[in-house]
Amino acid sequence: GEDVEQSLFLSVREGDSSVINCTYTDSSSTYLYWYKQEPGAGLQLLTYIFSNMDMKQDQRLTVLLNKKDKHLSLRIADTQTGDSAIYFCAESIKTGANNLFFGTGTRLTVIP
Amino acid sequence: DAGITQSPRYKITETGRQVTLMCHQTWSHSYMFWYRQDLGHGLRLIYYSAAADITDKGEVPDGYVVSRSKTENFPLTLESATRSQTSVYFCASSPAQVYEQYFGPGTRLTVT
Repeated sequence: GEDVEQSLFLSVREGDSSVINCTYTDSSSTYLYWYKQEPGAGLQLLTYIFSNMDMKQDQRLTVLLNKKDKHLSLRIADTQTGDSAIYFCAESIKTGANNLFFGTGTRLTVIP
Repeated sequence: DAGITQSPRYKITETGRQVTLMCHQTWSHSYMFWYRQDLGHGLRLIYYSAAADITDKGEVPDGYVVSRSKTENFPLTLESATRSQTSVYFCASSPAQVYEQYFGPGTRLTVT
């Protein structure tokens, strides 16, 4: 089965960069996603990367994909207190259904 | 309002009672999903639906029933609630051929 793993917690100081890591096991992933969950809210799609790409940059967000090691990371530059949230990585695979497989989520705490 | 909504947002029920969580989306997305979120487990898929009258089990379907008579609605029923079903439940939707999912705000269910 699909297994997506993340560390549970990360703390950074405001203004520093945050790097959230994710590993997955299914080599047939098509897209990999990062979602953000703020307290008391649902998940919001932050960004995604196609499995044949190595990197994607979107303003303060940089996604790196190492397909050989099945490792995905999300770097947030100049982290702000508003970035405090839970971040989920997710993968989609070619199953014929639109299913996503989510990691456990990483709680990012930004210290002022 | 456009988007995906869930009701109720909070629910307390007793063991053995039947409870139905509602999900409504205004985008006419083909796919709809129900997840539960528990600490240490991330998001786990309960059931999903590819279209009206087409539903399928996810990772943790036991104790739950779904139906989809209309494209826009996807209710989740706990036929006889148990304490282990205390959780936050999220509904999501996705257009066909696109893997990104869009989440509702969640329903916090407590079974006493």
